[in-house]
Order: sequence, then structure tokens, then C-alpha cells
Amino acid sequence: DTAVSQTPKYLVTQMGNDKSIKCEQNLGHDTMYWYKQDSKKFLKIMFSYNNKELIINETVPNRFSPKSPDKAHLNLHINSLELGDSAVYFCASRQLAGGPYEQYFGPGTRLTVT
Amino acid sequence: GQQVMQIPQYQHVQEGEDFTTYCNSSTTLSNIQWYKQRPGGHPVFLIQLVKSGEVKKQKRLTFQFGEAKKNSSLHITATQTTDVGTYFCASTPYQLIWGAGTKLIIKP
Repeated sequence: DTAVSQTPKYLVTQMGNDKSIKCEQNLGHDTMYWYKQDSKKFLKIMFSYNNKELIINETVPNRFSPKSPDKAHLNLHINSLELGDSAVYFCASRQLAGGPYEQYFGPGTRLTVT
Repeated sequence: GQQVMQIPQYQHVQEGEDFTTYCNSSTTLSNIQWYKQRPGGHPVFLIQLVKSGEVKKQKRLTFQFGEAKKNSSLHITATQTTDVGTYFCASTPYQLIWGAGTKLIIKP
């Protein structure tokens, strides 16, 4: 069974469109994250949810809106896509309360905006 | 705010040579984790260090946490092609701060 899954794996779309990426974890973790990894491989944390509550909201354009319907799911919706949004987006989860704190990453969604 | 500086950004080695990446912080870290990301893959957890001066080994990989808990290193002995990828450090447990990563490249 896949621990952290994301869909879709690849997403090619035009500027101005709206798209969503879905993430699910079956590890029973209480915390989930969205990361953006650009071409230089730097991992930038975007959002974090703990038990469905937003706990980290880094400086991210408000075109990006996360939604956590339950603690096993964290989706990312992006409005009015721009060329600079092209990147790989990773979902991750971990157990914050009591640890052991290691993060499990999904396979990533490669977003290409044309 | 707290930052973790990771160097070098890239390291080119001949297969069989050693590789080291370093992470440094201006503030004391509660603990530190190391991850490996293969080309085209996702970061995978390698290890967590908690104690001052801690040293842990995984086969050819040696991880160290400084006495002051402000720096850490990952050393790979006799690199192999399977070691290729980007190695990240991340501080934990609550406020996640990631290093920029060190890309290990094996020269042909």
C-alpha cells in the first residue's frame, strides 16, 4: 500500500487555468504538508495542516488554497496559473504529537504551465 | 528567523571517492534529520540525530551531530552509482527548516 499518494503525477496546463492536486496518506499521521520544489531542487514549504487545522502558511500567493477535508487528506487548489508556478509539488505527512517526526513524501506532481 | 545552511551545493566525485555534506545553523537545533532524493524521485528519510555529539552509521554512510547541536554532517565512504542524488538536512521537531541540499554527482 502506498503511504502517501498524490494525483495527478503530471499536470500540463495553460496560463490562467485553475487546477487541483490531491493528496492522501494512510499512515494515520496528524500533520500534512505541501512543498514546492523548483528546478534548482530547493524544497520550499508552502502549507502545513495539523489535524485539519492550518498551522504553517508561508509567503505563498493567495492563488494557492489548501483544503483538508479530514486529517488523511490535504488538497491544493491553484487559481489563475502562471508560468512561475511550474515546479514539482510534493505532499508529505508526519506524526507531530509524540513523534517520531520523520516525514513521508508522496511521489510528487510535476506541474507544467505553458 | 532560524536558517540551516547546507554546503556544498554540488559535489562531483569519481566513483569510489568519499563525499561529505555539511549543515550549519546559527542557533541550537533540537534535532536534525537527513533525507535523500534520487533523480526524478521524492525525498526519503535516512536518519534522525538527537543527542549532542551523536554519531550514527548506516553501512557506508556516517552521520554526525555537533557537540553544540548547531551543525551536522553526512559522510559517504567509497561512493557508488547508487548514491547519486540530492541529500537534504532538515531541523525538527516542530519548526521544519530545510537545507538547500547537496547534489552528489558521479563523474563518468
